[in-house]
Amino acid sequence: QVHLGQSGAEVREPGASLKVSCKASGYSFTDSYIHWVRQTPGQGLEWMGWLNPKNGGTNVAQGFQGRVYMTRDTSSSTAYVEFTRLTSDDTATYYCVADRTVTTLGNWGQGTLVTVSS
Amino acid sequence: QSALSQPASVSGSPGQSITISCTGSNSDIGIFNLVSWYQQYPDKAPKLIIFEVDKRPSGVSNRFSGSKSGTTASLTISGLQAEDEAVYHCCSYADTTTLFGGGTKLTVL
Repeated sequence: QVHLGQSGAEVREPGASLKVSCKASGYSFTDSYIHWVRQTPGQGLEWMGWLNPKNGGTNVAQGFQGRVYMTRDTSSSTAYVEFTRLTSDDTATYYCVADRTVTTLGNWGQGTLVTVSS
Repeated sequence: QSALSQPASVSGSPGQSITISCTGSNSDIGIFNLVSWYQQYPDKAPKLIIFEVDKRPSGVSNRFSGSKSGTTASLTISGLQAEDEAVYHCCSYADTTTLFGGGTKLTVL
């Protein structure tokens, strides 16, 4: 079945960069979009955007444009989200989600906790 | 402030039915039949329980049902069980973006 394995928890200082990975298995990696969703401590969910693994195309939510980049490596069935210029507001758990559509979030990874602190 | 509006909490007794509302606008719920609902336990990833307003993924109990009227979507859980105690998030596609509600904490009394 579909499984998304995310990289482990990270701690960064403000201003730093970070790349979180999401390794897909149990399905054809290029057949489903990879979405990224953020959940800040004790708060709700926020959609960040999606990546089309087939062609590398992305649709990044307005609030993340210019600071978040979504990429993939088809040879290892892995998707990445890269953050630049981290701030304390980026402290959150980040989930990758695989789905055949851009409209539903069907299969979730376990989440990666990112802490930004000096 | 979340784009979709949900009550912060609801509660019910075992066996009862509860309904969680999710209010959007004519830019999202009002024009797209693309509302989904997610169940989340503490320190766990969300799980899809309803998609496209009223469809259930394979394996999801038929005690969960979804509906929509105008700009408001609803999730109904019938025959409440202790295991239903969780946070429920609504979500709507909105033409190149996706919006979430703030989440509703369901307490089973």
